[in-house]
Amino acid sequence: ETGVTQSPTHLIKTRGQQVTLRCSSQSGHNTVSWYQQALGQGPQFIFQYYREEENGRGNFPPRFSGLQFPNYSSELNVNALELDDSALYLCASSPRLAGNYEQYFGPGTRLTVT
Amino acid sequence: AQSVAQPEDQVNVAEGNPLTVKCTYSVSGNPYLFWYVQYPNRGLQFLLKYITGDNLVKGSYGFEAEFNKSQTSFHLKKPSALVSDSALYFCAVRDEYNNNDMRFGAGTRLTVKP
Repeated sequence: ETGVTQSPTHLIKTRGQQVTLRCSSQSGHNTVSWYQQALGQGPQFIFQYYREEENGRGNFPPRFSGLQFPNYSSELNVNALELDDSALYLCASSPRLAGNYEQYFGPGTRLTVT
Repeated sequence: AQSVAQPEDQVNVAEGNPLTVKCTYSVSGNPYLFWYVQYPNRGLQFLLKYITGDNLVKGSYGFEAEFNKSQTSFHLKKPSALVSDSALYFCAVRDEYNNNDMRFGAGTRLTVKP
């Protein structure tokens, strides 16, 4: 098991609502990335945070937003939920902002939008 | 932009036989290549990576991968499969100029039969 934790484990929301997902990075890791993994697909990069600033974003609309806190924990916020937002949301941390570092993933939050 | 292809949705092997899970990639610059494994209802676990140097990379649980620049491939291998290796395997890539967006393949489900 990695030291990355996510909460909640599961979540059910209604279309149009807002949701906040939380992630605690592994100790000593200052870089956090968020991914969306739809059923039967590989993870897709949402965005990355480094030292409390967004450092890169994938092809996701602005209603997906995030935060990173001074202790390097992070939040993913999704507004105006759509049915297609139903997925496993994964948080991953790495010790440095460098492309050659592997990421350590949390267990994910399963979001269901009805 | 970088991309990854895993041409096989499913790979079936008998316990004790060698296994190969295929991955090809496309990047602008030099690639940073990763393999992850995902067990049911779990996050992704890092297996191994290629950054530079020896084309044969050894990782966790007896897995290894061979980087082939001319064929733009990074196939995952294990000399003798175990039933416990049954899981979903993801290949991922970043290019050397990108320290955030990691692209994943769609995954290959490996089933090892006793």
